[in-house]
Amino acid sequence: QVHLQESGPGLVKPSETLSLTCTVSGVSVTGYSWNWIRQSPGKGLEWIGYGQYSGRTKYNSSLMSRVTLSVDTSNNQFSLKLTSVTAADAAVYYCARWGGSQIYAFDTWGQGTMVTVSS
Amino acid sequence: EIVLTQSPGTLSLSPGERATLSCRASQSVSSRQLAWYQQKPGQAPRLLIYGTSNRATGIPDRFSGSGSGTDFTLTISRLEPEDFAVYHCQRYDESTLSFGGGTKVEIK
Repeated sequence: QVHLQESGPGLVKPSETLSLTCTVSGVSVTGYSWNWIRQSPGKGLEWIGYGQYSGRTKYNSSLMSRVTLSVDTSNNQFSLKLTSVTAADAAVYYCARWGGSQIYAFDTWGQGTMVTVSS
Repeated sequence: EIVLTQSPGTLSLSPGERATLSCRASQSVSSRQLAWYQQKPGQAPRLLIYGTSNRATGIPDRFSGSGSGTDFTLTISRLEPEDFAVYHCQRYDESTLSFGGGTKVEIK
């Protein structure tokens, strides 16, 4: 069974860098595309981007200048770095697997981790 | 960028009733590129439907998806107590990926 678990600091200061990790179990990160999605309080879902084992990445154009995603095969994890955070970046951050060639959707999600931006 | 608009924002229904949720795209979307998710309070979204009409593993057959072009629909044939939640549609293409604003199905 595939399981995703987000981890990282729940509190980040304005202008600093948010770093989150998603630990994957039950499948190797060498396959699939691995995504980050966020949801601000009371709002809808916003796709941040994806990373692949090959090093290929794709980002939401609205965040592209501040986001870096990477896949770590040695620890079966993938990570998110978001620089220069503001209050607008406060949200629940989810990692999710893109289902691949048969299922063009996010078929597995982590439980989410809440990030607050405050000094 | 293709924008997805979901309606209504809130749907108030009773258990046993039929729910019809709409997702309208600002430009035509391939049927393969449209999915639906269910989200309950404090939980991550769960995949319900992919490729417009394919139920994900373990999803009961009271959930069905349909549509084409710019108009897509999620139908819940008979609402069960556990179906009261927020539903999101989502589309993707080679350039980007986006979600609709969500429809909340609440108990009347």
